[in-house]
Amino acid sequence: AQTVTQSQPEMSVQEAETVTLSCTYDTSESDYYLFWYKQPPSRQMILVIRQEAYKQQNATENRFSVNFQKAAKSFSLKISDSQLGDAAMYFCAYYSNYQLIWGAGTKLIIKP
Amino acid sequence: NAGVTQTPKFRILKIGQSMTLQCTQDMNHNYMYWYRQDPGMGLKLIYYSVGAGITDKGEVPNGYNVSRSTTEDFPLRLELAAPSQTSVYFCASSSWTVGNTIYFGEGSWLTVV
Repeated sequence: AQTVTQSQPEMSVQEAETVTLSCTYDTSESDYYLFWYKQPPSRQMILVIRQEAYKQQNATENRFSVNFQKAAKSFSLKISDSQLGDAAMYFCAYYSNYQLIWGAGTKLIIKP
Repeated sequence: NAGVTQTPKFRILKIGQSMTLQCTQDMNHNYMYWYRQDPGMGLKLIYYSVGAGITDKGEVPNGYNVSRSTTEDFPLRLELAAPSQTSVYFCASSSWTVGNTIYFGEGSWLTVV
């Protein structure tokens, strides 16, 4: 069965600095999708970035980028120039066969 | 730009009562999902549907039922509510046409007392 592991329950970063959130997953499949979702205190789930496993190029979305290492089954999220609005829970998720498998989440704290 | 709409946003139920959480999407997505999120936890899949008339159990289906009579609607029925069903419920949808990105509703906060 597929699993997703986020080993950092909480991370903190100074405003304007860079932070990296870790995610590893376990699967025997070759075709899948990976996502990072942000969940602010409002509990709304907001898509941050997505990556198709067949694409070697790392996805980027403005200040957010990923380091996708398929062989190592690693999918870390880098947030550059951290802003106060980035404070939230961040969930890594793996998608295949209609199901999204979630990590336990990392709480990101931004220090002003 | 409605996306995924779920109602109600907040509800308090007494033990043993039943209710239906409504979910509708206007993006013509064929896949729809119901998740629950307990405090401090990630999301757990309750039920999902790959198209009208087709539903299947997820990780935590006990105490719930679903139906999918149309592409747009995917209601979740709670029968005989129990305190363990106190949670935030998310409806979501996706399609291969949007790279399987899953779009979420805003969540329904349910408390069973």
